[in-house]
Formats: sequence, structure tokens, C-alpha cells
Amino acid sequence: QSALTQPASVSGSPGQSITISCTGTSSDVGSYNLVSWYQQHPGKAPKLMIYEGSKRPSGVSNRFSGSKSGSTASLTISGLQAEDEADYYCCSYAAFNTWVFGGGTKLTVL
Amino acid sequence: EVQLVESGGGLVQPGGSLRLSCAASGFTFSSYDMHWVRQGTGKGLEWVSAIGTSGDPYYSGSVKGRFTISRENAKNSLYLQMNSLRAGDTAVYYCARSRNLDVWGQGTTVTVSS
Repeated sequence: QSALTQPASVSGSPGQSITISCTGTSSDVGSYNLVSWYQQHPGKAPKLMIYEGSKRPSGVSNRFSGSKSGSTASLTISGLQAEDEADYYCCSYAAFNTWVFGGGTKLTVL
Repeated sequence: EVQLVESGGGLVQPGGSLRLSCAASGFTFSSYDMHWVRQGTGKGLEWVSAIGTSGDPYYSGSVKGRFTISRENAKNSLYLQMNSLRAGDTAVYYCARSRNLDVWGQGTTVTVSS
């Protein structure tokens, strides 16, 4: 299966909001409410930020939110903070018990 | 504390084999699907394989036929047997818990080079 499409980079100033898109197909994002988002700081393991499209795990700030429209999922970070600077990856179930990741988006906090 | 700890990485020649392990603790291992995800140097995450609670294995197209995932619930352990290794398999390999990949280990590095 092909990787989900994410923008290579996004940026924003502290306090602003940014949105990262994740475009798939009718075979993955469009067919299942099983999109998750991960934050990865350099040299660290990924951390789950959003699961099942819009649910936040315990301990994740409510500044992080997820949504989906058709075959495109989105991660929005509001009230941007310096510690949000990281790489972000989306991931979707893709049928037949396989999963597919997006290419990743580097978030820069200006 | 819920924890996953990978081991078994190292340097291997092309065509060689390696077996990765993932030790789970702090949760009922047998109740969760488990995954392997890899990340090449400077690259993105790539889903590799998953195994269901009943032991059913699933693979990405890039490793199918070369890698074998397995689990030993009595030992709270997940494994990835990697055969016919190629340079393109060089990566940090992570194990992760559940269909939401909600818990990750710290990763183990596999380098395939002559």
C-alpha cells in the first residue's frame, strides 16, 4: 500500500494554531475511523497523540485535536508552544490487518 | 508501569538473519495485538508487521516472505525473525502495542551492511 500524504513541513508562531493534513484513499482513511497521530522528537520513540480519528489518550493536552473528512484526516494544534516542535506522523488502518503511515511532517515553532 | 523493551539489533551482512525481541511488562500482554514498526535513518515510520491475540500474523508487502512475527504470551514477549536481510532493511525497529499503537518501546537498531 502507498504511504499517506502529509505536507513535509509546517510552521507557526507561539500561541497560533496549525493544522497538518493526512490524505489517503477510500481503501484506508476513507473507509475506517482508525486514524492515529504520533509526535516524535529527535532521537525519541513516537508518542500517541490522537487515536480513532479524534480521541485523546490520557495525559495528552487538549490543545491537540483530530478530525476527518472523506479520505483526509487532520491534526490541529492550538496555542502552539515551543515543545510542540517535532515530527508528526499519521497512521491509518488499511484493511486486511495492515496499517499505513504518512510520510511525516516537521513542525517548526518560529 | 507499562513498558516495551526491544533487543536483538546489530550489524548483519546482506542475506543474513537476525531475531528481534520485545519484552512487555505492566499490562496483560496476551490481550493485545502487537506491531513492529521501523524507521530508516532520517526517514519516516514504516509499518512492518502485526500479530493478533490469537497469533495470526500480518505483514507489509516489503517484508512478506522474509520476516516472521511471533509471540510467546507465557514470556510476555514478541519476536521478529528477519531473514534474507537487505540494505533497505537498515532501520530502528520499534515494537508497539494495540491497534492504536498506544505504547512504544525505545527501539533497537538493525544495520545491514557488508
